[in-house]
Amino acid sequence: GENVEQHPSTLSVQEGDSAVIKCTYSDSASNYFPWYKQELGKRPQLIIDIRSNVGEKKDQRIAVTLNKTAKHFSLHITETQPEDSAVYFCAASGIYNTDKLIFGTGTRLQVFP
Amino acid sequence: GAGVSQSPSNKVTEKGKDVELRCDPISGHTALYWYRQRLGQGLEFLIYFQGNSAPDKSGLPSDRFSAERTGESVSTLTIQRTQQEDSAVYLCASSLGVGRYEQYFGPGTRLTVT
Repeated sequence: GENVEQHPSTLSVQEGDSAVIKCTYSDSASNYFPWYKQELGKRPQLIIDIRSNVGEKKDQRIAVTLNKTAKHFSLHITETQPEDSAVYFCAASGIYNTDKLIFGTGTRLQVFP
Repeated sequence: GAGVSQSPSNKVTEKGKDVELRCDPISGHTALYWYRQRLGQGLEFLIYFQGNSAPDKSGLPSDRFSAERTGESVSTLTIQRTQQEDSAVYLCASSLGVGRYEQYFGPGTRLTVT
């Protein structure tokens, strides 16, 4: 079945710096790749997603890139702020006509003021 | 509009007892998913309902776990003879359906098995 690997597991940056989180997936049939942000004790919130027919998508300070050939996708956060501190999960889905999400193991991002 | 809701928010039970967790999806969402999140870990897929199709149960960890959904409404996840390793947050999500990928999560039920 699908497997999603995520790196790094923890990431510390200074406020204003950029943060990059990378994921790889195993099944080339996957066609939808969302990123979720989860603050402590809260539910995961979708922050951005990308489908397999595009290579890049941007929403203000957040961008996602997808390389289908290499089967990896990345989350880029620019001009980080302390409120960006959270755990970020990547996921992949869309194979076999189901939408179940296979999640990465998460990245704990800390932004220091 | 109202988001996905789950009840109870917290459940403490003794080992060996059965528990039932409830999920109310967003109105109009035909797809419903259950995930499990152990402390400090990622989300594990458990089961997926889409309309009246047979559910995808491929993520259920054992036959102690089962789930039901009536039509396109409420779902219940039942864990029989609970074990300590069942302690986790159980998250429900819903979406508009196959190909309408965005999933919206409920607040979760924190299950503690003592």
